[in-house]
Amino acid sequence: GAGVSQTPSNKVTEKGKYVELRCDPISGHTALYWYRQSLGQGPEFLIYFQGTGAADDSGLPNDRFFAVRPEGSVSTLKIQRTERGDSAVYLCASSKHRAAMNTEAFFGQGTRLTVV
Amino acid sequence: DQQVKQNSPSLSVQEGRISILNCDYTNSMFDYFLWYKKYPAEGPTFLISISSIKDKNEDGRFTVFLNKSAKHLSLHIVPSQPGDSAVYFCAASKSGGSNYKLTFGKGTLLTVNP
Repeated sequence: GAGVSQTPSNKVTEKGKYVELRCDPISGHTALYWYRQSLGQGPEFLIYFQGTGAADDSGLPNDRFFAVRPEGSVSTLKIQRTERGDSAVYLCASSKHRAAMNTEAFFGQGTRLTVV
Repeated sequence: DQQVKQNSPSLSVQEGRISILNCDYTNSMFDYFLWYKKYPAEGPTFLISISSIKDKNEDGRFTVFLNKSAKHLSLHIVPSQPGDSAVYFCAASKSGGSNYKLTFGKGTLLTVNP
Protein backbone atom coordinates (compact mmCIF):
# COMPACT_ATOMS: atom_id res chain seq x y z
CA GLY A 1 0.00 0.00 0.00
CA ALA A 2 0.94 3.62 -0.34
CA GLY A 3 0.52 4.60 3.29
CA VAL A 4 1.70 3.50 6.72
CA SER A 5 -0.02 0.27 7.64
CA GLN A 6 -0.58 -0.89 11.20
CA THR A 7 -1.82 -4.30 12.26
CA PRO A 8 -3.96 -5.31 13.94
CA SER A 9 -6.44 -2.45 13.88
CA ASN A 10 -7.84 -3.58 17.20
CA LYS A 11 -6.41 -5.84 19.85
CA VAL A 12 -8.10 -6.96 23.05
CA THR A 13 -5.90 -8.77 25.54
CA GLU A 14 -6.07 -9.89 29.11
CA LYS A 15 -4.08 -8.19 31.81
CA GLY A 16 -0.68 -9.80 32.16
CA LYS A 17 -0.47 -11.05 28.57
CA TYR A 18 2.16 -10.19 25.96
CA VAL A 19 1.25 -8.28 22.80
CA GLU A 20 2.97 -7.27 19.60
CA LEU A 21 1.88 -4.39 17.41
CA ARG A 22 3.17 -4.13 13.87
CA CYS A 23 3.95 -1.12 11.70
CA ASP A 24 4.71 -1.22 7.97
CA PRO A 25 6.13 2.18 7.01
CA ILE A 26 6.01 3.77 3.59
CA SER A 27 8.57 2.14 1.33
CA GLY A 28 11.86 4.02 1.36
CA HIS A 29 11.18 5.87 4.60
CA THR A 30 14.18 5.54 6.86
CA ALA A 31 12.70 7.22 9.92
CA LEU A 32 9.96 5.58 11.95
CA TYR A 33 8.18 6.84 15.07
CA TRP A 34 5.83 5.33 17.60
CA TYR A 35 3.36 7.46 19.55
CA ARG A 36 0.65 6.49 22.00
CA GLN A 37 -2.70 8.23 22.39
CA SER A 38 -4.58 7.51 25.59
CA LEU A 39 -8.27 8.32 25.89
CA GLY A 40 -8.87 12.07 26.01
CA GLN A 41 -5.21 12.89 25.45
CA GLY A 42 -3.05 13.90 22.54
CA PRO A 43 -0.47 11.51 21.13
CA GLU A 44 2.69 11.05 23.21
CA PHE A 45 6.08 10.19 21.80
CA LEU A 46 7.43 6.72 22.55
CA ILE A 47 10.40 5.91 20.31
CA TYR A 48 12.16 6.98 17.12
CA PHE A 49 14.09 4.69 14.76
CA GLN A 50 16.57 5.82 12.15
CA GLY A 51 17.15 2.77 10.00
CA THR A 52 17.50 -0.30 12.20
CA GLY A 53 18.53 1.46 15.36
CA ALA A 54 16.47 3.09 18.06
CA ALA A 55 17.84 6.62 17.99
CA ASP A 56 15.67 7.79 20.87
CA ASP A 57 13.61 5.54 23.15
CA SER A 58 13.18 8.11 25.90
CA GLY A 59 9.39 8.03 25.62
CA LEU A 60 8.96 4.36 26.44
CA PRO A 61 7.13 4.39 29.81
CA ASN A 62 8.96 1.45 31.40
CA ASP A 63 10.90 -1.71 30.64
CA ARG A 64 7.75 -3.66 29.74
CA PHE A 65 7.81 -1.78 26.45
CA PHE A 66 10.27 -2.64 23.72
CA ALA A 67 10.42 -2.00 19.99
CA VAL A 68 12.49 -3.41 17.17
CA ARG A 69 13.10 -2.69 13.50
CA PRO A 70 15.56 -5.42 12.49
CA GLU A 71 15.72 -4.75 8.74
CA GLY A 72 15.06 -1.03 8.77
CA SER A 73 11.54 -1.39 7.47
CA VAL A 74 8.80 -3.10 9.51
CA SER A 75 8.76 -2.27 13.20
CA THR A 76 7.20 -4.19 16.05
CA LEU A 77 6.22 -2.66 19.38
CA LYS A 78 6.22 -5.28 22.11
CA ILE A 79 4.49 -4.94 25.45
CA GLN A 80 5.06 -7.50 28.20
CA ARG A 81 2.80 -8.15 31.18
CA THR A 82 0.17 -5.76 29.90
CA GLU A 83 -1.70 -3.57 32.35
CA ARG A 84 -5.08 -1.85 32.01
CA GLY A 85 -3.27 1.48 31.86
CA ASP A 86 -1.62 0.38 28.61
CA SER A 87 -4.98 0.64 26.87
CA ALA A 88 -4.59 3.29 24.16
CA VAL A 89 -4.28 3.83 20.43
CA TYR A 90 -0.72 3.15 19.34
CA LEU A 91 0.25 5.26 16.35
CA CYS A 92 3.13 4.71 13.99
CA ALA A 93 4.52 7.31 11.59
CA SER A 94 7.30 7.31 9.05
CA SER A 95 9.23 9.89 7.09
CA LYS A 96 11.78 9.78 4.33
CA HIS A 97 14.39 11.63 6.29
CA ARG A 98 15.12 12.12 9.90
CA ALA A 99 12.95 14.29 12.02
CA ALA A 100 10.64 15.56 9.32
CA MET A 101 7.46 15.71 11.37
CA ASN A 102 5.66 17.94 8.94
CA THR A 103 4.56 17.41 5.37
CA GLU A 104 7.02 14.56 5.01
CA ALA A 105 5.78 12.42 7.88
CA PHE A 106 2.71 10.23 7.65
CA PHE A 107 0.82 8.46 10.40
CA GLY A 108 -0.85 5.09 10.18
CA GLN A 109 -4.41 4.59 11.36
CA GLY A 110 -3.25 3.19 14.67
CA THR A 111 -3.81 0.02 16.68
CA ARG A 112 -6.39 0.30 19.42
CA LEU A 113 -5.18 -1.82 22.32
CA THR A 114 -7.62 -2.71 25.07
CA VAL A 115 -6.38 -4.53 28.15
CA VAL A 116 -9.17 -6.16 30.15
CA ASP B 1 2.26 18.97 33.47
CA GLN B 2 0.66 19.87 30.15
CA GLN B 3 3.16 21.84 28.09
CA VAL B 4 0.73 22.27 25.21
CA LYS B 5 -2.83 23.15 26.07
CA GLN B 6 -5.96 23.27 24.01
CA ASN B 7 -8.51 24.54 26.44
CA SER B 8 -11.56 24.12 24.26
CA PRO B 9 -12.53 20.45 23.95
CA SER B 10 -15.05 21.29 21.25
CA LEU B 11 -16.13 24.03 18.88
CA SER B 12 -19.20 24.28 16.67
CA VAL B 13 -19.49 26.70 13.73
CA GLN B 14 -21.74 27.25 10.76
CA GLU B 15 -20.60 26.39 7.27
CA GLY B 16 -19.02 29.39 5.61
CA ARG B 17 -18.05 31.09 8.85
CA ILE B 18 -14.60 31.30 10.42
CA SER B 19 -13.34 28.61 12.79
CA ILE B 20 -10.71 29.70 15.30
CA LEU B 21 -8.91 27.02 17.28
CA ASN B 22 -6.58 28.09 20.05
CA CYS B 23 -3.48 26.60 21.61
CA ASP B 24 -1.20 27.72 24.45
CA TYR B 25 2.22 26.41 25.38
CA THR B 26 4.39 26.80 28.43
CA ASN B 27 7.81 25.63 27.31
CA SER B 28 9.77 28.58 25.89
CA MET B 29 12.16 26.15 24.20
CA PHE B 30 9.48 25.19 21.68
CA ASP B 31 10.17 26.89 18.38
CA TYR B 32 8.25 24.91 15.80
CA PHE B 33 4.51 24.39 15.89
CA LEU B 34 2.20 22.18 13.90
CA TRP B 35 -1.49 21.55 13.51
CA TYR B 36 -2.83 18.10 12.76
CA LYS B 37 -6.30 17.04 11.74
CA LYS B 38 -7.71 13.68 12.75
CA TYR B 39 -10.79 11.88 11.51
CA PRO B 40 -12.20 8.93 13.50
CA ALA B 41 -10.31 5.67 12.97
CA GLU B 42 -7.58 7.43 11.02
CA GLY B 43 -4.15 8.67 11.98
CA PRO B 44 -3.42 12.38 12.38
CA THR B 45 -2.75 14.24 9.14
CA PHE B 46 -0.38 17.19 9.00
CA LEU B 47 -2.22 20.41 8.19
CA ILE B 48 0.03 23.44 8.60
CA SER B 49 3.06 24.51 10.60
CA ILE B 50 4.87 27.64 11.69
CA SER B 51 8.38 28.38 12.82
CA SER B 52 9.00 30.77 15.67
CA ILE B 53 10.74 33.19 13.33
CA LYS B 54 7.35 33.92 11.76
CA ASP B 55 4.11 35.17 13.21
CA LYS B 56 1.82 33.99 10.43
CA ASN B 57 1.68 31.21 7.90
CA GLU B 58 -1.09 30.77 5.38
CA ASP B 59 -2.08 27.83 3.20
CA GLY B 60 -5.32 28.19 1.33
CA ARG B 61 -8.20 28.35 3.79
CA PHE B 62 -5.89 27.67 6.74
CA THR B 63 -3.85 30.30 8.57
CA VAL B 64 -1.82 29.84 11.70
CA PHE B 65 -0.89 32.80 13.88
CA LEU B 66 1.87 32.71 16.48
CA ASN B 67 2.21 35.13 19.38
CA LYS B 68 5.50 34.23 21.02
CA SER B 69 5.26 36.72 23.85
CA ALA B 70 1.92 35.23 24.88
CA LYS B 71 3.00 31.68 24.04
CA HIS B 72 -0.17 31.35 22.05
CA LEU B 73 -1.06 30.15 18.60
CA SER B 74 -4.29 29.87 16.73
CA LEU B 75 -5.56 28.17 13.62
CA HIS B 76 -8.08 30.01 11.47
CA ILE B 77 -10.17 28.19 8.90
CA VAL B 78 -12.02 30.41 6.45
CA PRO B 79 -14.52 29.57 5.13
CA SER B 80 -15.33 26.51 7.22
CA GLN B 81 -16.73 23.49 5.40
CA PRO B 82 -18.54 20.41 6.74
CA GLY B 83 -15.58 18.28 5.66
CA ASP B 84 -13.44 20.21 8.12
CA SER B 85 -15.29 18.49 10.98
CA ALA B 86 -12.57 16.56 12.83
CA VAL B 87 -10.35 16.69 15.90
CA TYR B 88 -7.57 19.25 15.57
CA PHE B 89 -4.35 18.78 17.50
CA CYS B 90 -1.80 21.46 18.18
CA ALA B 91 1.77 20.17 18.54
CA ALA B 92 5.10 21.73 19.38
CA SER B 93 8.73 20.75 19.07
CA LYS B 94 12.22 22.08 19.60
CA SER B 95 14.39 22.54 16.52
CA GLY B 96 17.65 20.74 16.25
CA GLY B 97 18.34 17.13 17.00
CA SER B 98 15.05 16.21 18.65
CA ASN B 99 12.50 17.94 16.44
CA TYR B 100 10.84 14.60 15.72
CA LYS B 101 9.61 14.57 19.31
CA LEU B 102 6.28 16.33 19.21
CA THR B 103 4.34 17.41 22.28
CA PHE B 104 0.63 17.41 21.51
CA GLY B 105 -2.32 19.13 23.08
CA LYS B 106 -5.46 17.16 23.92
CA GLY B 107 -7.24 18.26 20.78
CA THR B 108 -10.34 20.26 19.88
CA LEU B 109 -13.32 18.63 18.19
CA LEU B 110 -14.52 20.96 15.44
CA THR B 111 -18.04 20.48 14.09
CA VAL B 112 -19.03 22.47 11.03
CA ASN B 113 -22.77 22.50 10.58
CA PRO B 114 -24.25 22.73 7.07
